[in-house]
Amino acid sequence: EVQLVESGGGLVQPGRSLRLSCTTSGFTFGDYAMSWVRQAPGKGLEWVGFVRSKNYGGTTEYAASVNGRFTISRDDSKSIAYLQMNSLKTEDTGVYYCTRVTGEPHWGQGTLVTVSS
Amino acid sequence: SFELTQPPSVSVSPGQTARITCSGDALADLYAYWYQQKPGQAPVLLIYKDIKRPSHIPERFSGSSSGTVVTLTVSGVRAEDEADYYCQSSDNNTVVFGGGTKLTVL
Repeated sequence: EVQLVESGGGLVQPGRSLRLSCTTSGFTFGDYAMSWVRQAPGKGLEWVGFVRSKNYGGTTEYAASVNGRFTISRDDSKSIAYLQMNSLKTEDTGVYYCTRVTGEPHWGQGTLVTVSS
Repeated sequence: SFELTQPPSVSVSPGQTARITCSGDALADLYAYWYQQKPGQAPVLLIYKDIKRPSHIPERFSGSSSGTVVTLTVSGVRAEDEADYYCQSSDNNTVVFGGGTKLTVL
């Protein structure tokens, strides 16, 4: 069974940093691109970015709203994807979901990030 | 980048058929995906690659595509289908979601 579990969310002050983790199981992690999607309270889904598999260079793409502040990485030996969030803003508040992109998509249950002073 | 447009709301009586559209020029060349989200829950994949249905999703959920418009059809709507529905597509460099459609079961 494919499983994705996000962790690392919490309350953080504006301007600070936070790192989210996505621990996976049930599939060959290294074969898949991994993406992060977020949802602000009461709003729709917003793509944050993704990291390609090593077969496609392991490169990353980001939404304009987070480009330069957020970094996605992966550790294929541990089957974990990461989202490093720097210079956080209040508008970054929301639930962050990790998703397996290619093939039949799978999502985690999400982790809540609250950016507030 | 590109845009996907969904109607904000669709209403239907129980047992009827609901159709939710998603339009965008990019859909002529890219696959569409559909998600259902109920309050306080993570999105659930309903349809992928325009028409494919995960094994655990009931057959009354179906997807179709015609040119720049994709449609999610919910046949025999039940009260439990009341939720937000999102379409999504992606190209090599970006992922885009529609704004979401709230399905109300009257």
